[in-house]
Amino acid sequence: DAMVIQNPRYQVTQFGKPVTLSCSQTLNHNVMYWYQQKSSQAPKLLFHYYDKDFNNEADTPDNFQSRRPNTSFCFLDIRSPGLGDAAMYLCATSKGGMDTEAFFGQGTRLTVV
Amino acid sequence: LAKTTQPISMDSYEGQEVNITCSHNNIATNDYITWYQQFPSQGPRFIIQGYKTKVTNEVASLFIPADRKSSTLSLPRVSLSDTAVYYCLVAVSNQGGKLIFGQGTELSVKP
Repeated sequence: DAMVIQNPRYQVTQFGKPVTLSCSQTLNHNVMYWYQQKSSQAPKLLFHYYDKDFNNEADTPDNFQSRRPNTSFCFLDIRSPGLGDAAMYLCATSKGGMDTEAFFGQGTRLTVV
Repeated sequence: LAKTTQPISMDSYEGQEVNITCSHNNIATNDYITWYQQFPSQGPRFIIQGYKTKVTNEVASLFIPADRKSSTLSLPRVSLSDTAVYYCLVAVSNQGGKLIFGQGTELSVKP
C-alpha cells in the first residue's frame, strides 16, 4: 500500500495560474519535505516541516508556498507558475532526528503552458 | 552544512561488485550518512544509513572510516536492474533531519 501519496501524478497549468500540489502520508511521520527535480538534476529541497515548524530553504523563490494543516497532509502552492517551474515535484516523509530513512511519493510532474 | 562529492558516473557489468565513494569533509559530529537510489520518473528510495564503521543490509554495505570524511557504498553482484542514480547524503541532524541531495552517481550496468 502506498504510504506517501501525491496527487495528481501529472498536472498541466497555464503560465501565471496558481496551482496546488498535494501530498498525504499514512506513516504518521514528523517530517514532510517538498523537493523540485528537473531533468538530469538531483532533487532540490524547497522546504520541510518538522511537525508544525516550517523550514524554508534560503534559495526557494517566494513564488513557492507550503501548508501543512495536519500531520497527514502537506500542500505545495505555486502562486504564479513560470515556464521554469516545470519539473517533477517530490514529497517525502521521515521520522526526523537520527532516522534518515525518507519515504518518497511517486511525484507530480508539472507542465506549464 | 556538509557538502558531498561523488563521481558523476560509473560503468559496471552484471555480476560485479560496485563501490561508489563519496567524500564529505565537513561532516558534523551528529550527522549521519545516507544513500538513496533513484530510477527514472520515480522518487528516490532509501538504501542504507550509517554513522561509522560498517553497516550491511540485504541490498548493500556501507563502509565509513574512522575520520568519517568519506563513505563507500558497496553493491554486491550488480544486475541490469541496478542501473540507476545513487545519491550520497549527509543528514543534518540538528535541523530536524533535513536531507540535501548532492549531484549523484549515475551507475550503468551492462550485460
